[in-house]
Amino acid sequence: AQSVTQLGSHVSVSEGALVLLRCNYSSSVPPYLFWYVQYPNQGLQLLLKYTSAATLVKGINGFEAEFKKSETSFHLTKPSAHMSDAAEYFCAVSADSWGKLQFGAGTQVVVTP
Amino acid sequence: NAGVTQTPKFRILKIGQSMTLQCTQDMNHNYMYWYRQDPGMGLKLIYYSVGAGITDKGEVPNGYNVSRSTTEDFPLRLELAAPSQTSVYFCASSRPGQGPSQSNTEAFFGQGTRLTVV
Repeated sequence: AQSVTQLGSHVSVSEGALVLLRCNYSSSVPPYLFWYVQYPNQGLQLLLKYTSAATLVKGINGFEAEFKKSETSFHLTKPSAHMSDAAEYFCAVSADSWGKLQFGAGTQVVVTP
Repeated sequence: NAGVTQTPKFRILKIGQSMTLQCTQDMNHNYMYWYRQDPGMGLKLIYYSVGAGITDKGEVPNGYNVSRSTTEDFPLRLELAAPSQTSVYFCASSRPGQGPSQSNTEAFFGQGTRLTVV
């Protein structure tokens, strides 16, 4: 069985500051890991995914994440926050078959001018 | 490109009523899913399907039913609605990935159905 823990339900960052969203996973087998973003009143959109090809994964909108097996982590970062980054971010893991996803509780990001 | 389309976008139901949430995708994806999203809880899998005629329960299937008669459509049926089913429902689809579990694949989500049971 696998699970995902996101540290911090709400994060407030200043425009131009570093965005860091934390995600830790537990899985009995090598996992596939994903970050999704949800803008207000929208569905979820894939930011990036880890599928064992490279530990540092680059995604859309300047986001990237690093897979650290020793720490069972997959933290999401962006060097400089933009007002348009205000959204809810979900970390998810899929180690089971058929593409089923186990989601973290989500982190709401607020960007202040 | 339509992608995954859900209808309706909003619905208010009375306790004990029933309804069907519609989901259709035009990407010819084999896999389809229904998730519910509750505040502070992330998304939980209700049911999933790996192809027409094949469905299986997810983490929270009680009170729901699904069918998959075509590749494109995956409706979710609520019988005897209860306040605990107040939630936002998302349909998603994906194609099989690579590797043994075929799970390294992106899921595409609809815009959701906000359901309130009163």
